[in-house]
Amino acid sequence: DQQVKQNSPSLSVQEGRISILNCDYTNSMFDYFLWYKKYPAEGPTFLISISSIKDKNEDGRFTVFLNKSAKHLSLHIVPSQPGDSAVYFCAASENTDKLIFGTGTRLQVFP
Amino acid sequence: GAVVSQHPSWVICKSGTSVKIECRSLDFQATTMFWYRQFPKQSLMLMATSNEGSKATYEQGVEKDKFLINHASLTLSTLTVTSAHPEDSSFYICSGGDRGTSNEQFFGPGTRLTVL
Repeated sequence: DQQVKQNSPSLSVQEGRISILNCDYTNSMFDYFLWYKKYPAEGPTFLISISSIKDKNEDGRFTVFLNKSAKHLSLHIVPSQPGDSAVYFCAASENTDKLIFGTGTRLQVFP
Repeated sequence: GAVVSQHPSWVICKSGTSVKIECRSLDFQATTMFWYRQFPKQSLMLMATSNEGSKATYEQGVEKDKFLINHASLTLSTLTVTSAHPEDSSFYICSGGDRGTSNEQFFGPGTRLTVL
């Protein structure tokens, strides 16, 4: 049972444009959501997070939107840069430190 | 952000031997540490959660006698893969968090295990 889903395994975006990565979840008890960026053969790097009491959190080029009624969150990267090319994982937790990860979306930003 | 190190970064061993992987939080106290496994082109699979000074909690399907986890201090957790077999070959990643301050976890760089 995949509680956190990233339905797009890959995304290709031109440099300078917006990248939108989507994530859906099924557990309404999740109260904290995070996005991680991962390069091959490396550990994930934390990008941005959002608590369930908010619907938006912004940090520089990265903005996370949370729609609790739809059980959906998204990560917006504006403007996209070639260095953003990586696999992005969303993760969720329910009042504990245990993170449930999505399957990841591979983002490729081309010039 | 906080730094987590793993050692070794890669290891090759013969089938039947045991391998120990260390995970250290370098600039924070990790009251909780997590061990993940990642198969090629797949998501991170949580193997177990360990709290300092207590037994690890294993996820369903993970053999606790095969994957021994020790979290003896607030800065060190170890994962020992006992009697390793080729199917144990994978990328193992640890993470640490301080439940008193944040829900965030900080990940180590991972360890590539290849069992021949």
